[in-house]
Amino acid sequence: DAGVIQSPRHEVTEMGQEVTLRCKPISGHNSLFWYRQTMMRGLELLIYFNNNVPIDDSGMPEDRFSAKMPNASFSTLKIQPSEPRDSAVYFCASSPVGPYGYTFGSGTRLTVV
Amino acid sequence: GENVEQHPSTLSVQEGDSAVIKCTYSDSASNYFPWYKQELGKRPQLIIDIRSNVGEKKDQRIAVTLNKTAKHFSLHITETQPEDSAVYFCAASNTGTASKLTFGTGTRLQVTL
Repeated sequence: DAGVIQSPRHEVTEMGQEVTLRCKPISGHNSLFWYRQTMMRGLELLIYFNNNVPIDDSGMPEDRFSAKMPNASFSTLKIQPSEPRDSAVYFCASSPVGPYGYTFGSGTRLTVV
Repeated sequence: GENVEQHPSTLSVQEGDSAVIKCTYSDSASNYFPWYKQELGKRPQLIIDIRSNVGEKKDQRIAVTLNKTAKHFSLHITETQPEDSAVYFCAASNTGTASKLTFGTGTRLQVTL
């Protein structure tokens, strides 16, 4: 099992540009989560999906953030336009059922300059 | 929603000593409490978890205790080793209503020789 796969691993972009982060969950996992990690705020849940359906997006900071899960094997997190305060590590995680057995991807380190 | 507080934020112990990290949660309906370890530059990984129907769980040198009345739970690491140095996160979830985990802010554990 390849685990949760995220791409890219690192992203450096200029303020105002669109950024798209990608995630492939573990096959058979029904839940997918996007978290943002910063020194100041720790691990913050942005949004999660059950069976490809968005369940809770209350953590999405602004309308500049959007997420999709078009099928069971792929999800994207998009920031448009990006701002320097969006700089963080973004983790995707998946689980077979609910909160049990969360597996995190390796993360995407985003730097907005 | 759930709020998880974690203390201390940093902890330094000598090799061979014990380390204790404490967390409190706000939602009395929470019933699942995992702990994650994150080494520098790596993804968080599950190390142990406990459900609300038990008060303690052990796995070799690590143990977790849960006090539902007081709404707090703790991670205990005995005979610490340098490879235990990492950031540890506690989390809580109400599995009856949501799939998501709410994380504490993390404890940076440093094991010195």
